[in-house]
Amino acid sequence: DVKVTQSSRYLVKRTGEKVFLECVQDMDHENMFWYRQDPGLGLRLIYFSYDVKMKEKGDIPEGYSVSREKKERFSLILESASTNQTSMYLCASNLDGYNQPQHFGDGTRLSIL
Amino acid sequence: AQKITQTQPGMFVQEKEAVTLDCTYDTSDPSYGLFWYKQPSSGEMIFLIYQGSYDQQNATEGRYSLNFQKARKSANLVISASQLGDSAMYFCAMRGGLFSSSASKIIFGSGTRLSIRP
Repeated sequence: DVKVTQSSRYLVKRTGEKVFLECVQDMDHENMFWYRQDPGLGLRLIYFSYDVKMKEKGDIPEGYSVSREKKERFSLILESASTNQTSMYLCASNLDGYNQPQHFGDGTRLSIL
Repeated sequence: AQKITQTQPGMFVQEKEAVTLDCTYDTSDPSYGLFWYKQPSSGEMIFLIYQGSYDQQNATEGRYSLNFQKARKSANLVISASQLGDSAMYFCAMRGGLFSSSASKIIFGSGTRLSIRP
């Protein structure tokens, strides 16, 4: 069974801190994604990666960066956390087949104080 | 630019009735894929069904079917004989064109919260 693991379920940080959210998948998936989920807005794509060291901006990349040094790990970085980045963050991965569904982690609920 | 729209923020349906959740999309790519996911209150995302833009028939998976109307750019999810366990958030998602520069990109709609009444 595919497992997508996010390093923290809950995280509380302070404004201005540099925040790292980690995601690891164990099924050799080419693609990995970071979304944030907010009530009424659904899932909004922050960044995705289709290969090691490759990344593409999603719809809301401002204030975020990502790193994919190994195929199984995709990190989301908040360079200087702000209160408007308080949200649920979901990591997902999938194979590169056209009809391949995504597998999601359990999410990280991040609060920026 | 690609866009997914779900216009029903919430719906209430009587148990055992059929329900249709609306999804419209916008893309200039001739080839694309559409997905539906369910998110129960536990928060996990569960894949339900997939429809490819060139698929000749509407996709079906058990009680789930997809009413795909390509000309109208709609991909509505139909749940037959609803059950209490169907109460959840439902998200429509789209993957970009197969030969586009963002073929791996997958975007989601804002979701519909479905509540099944006993």
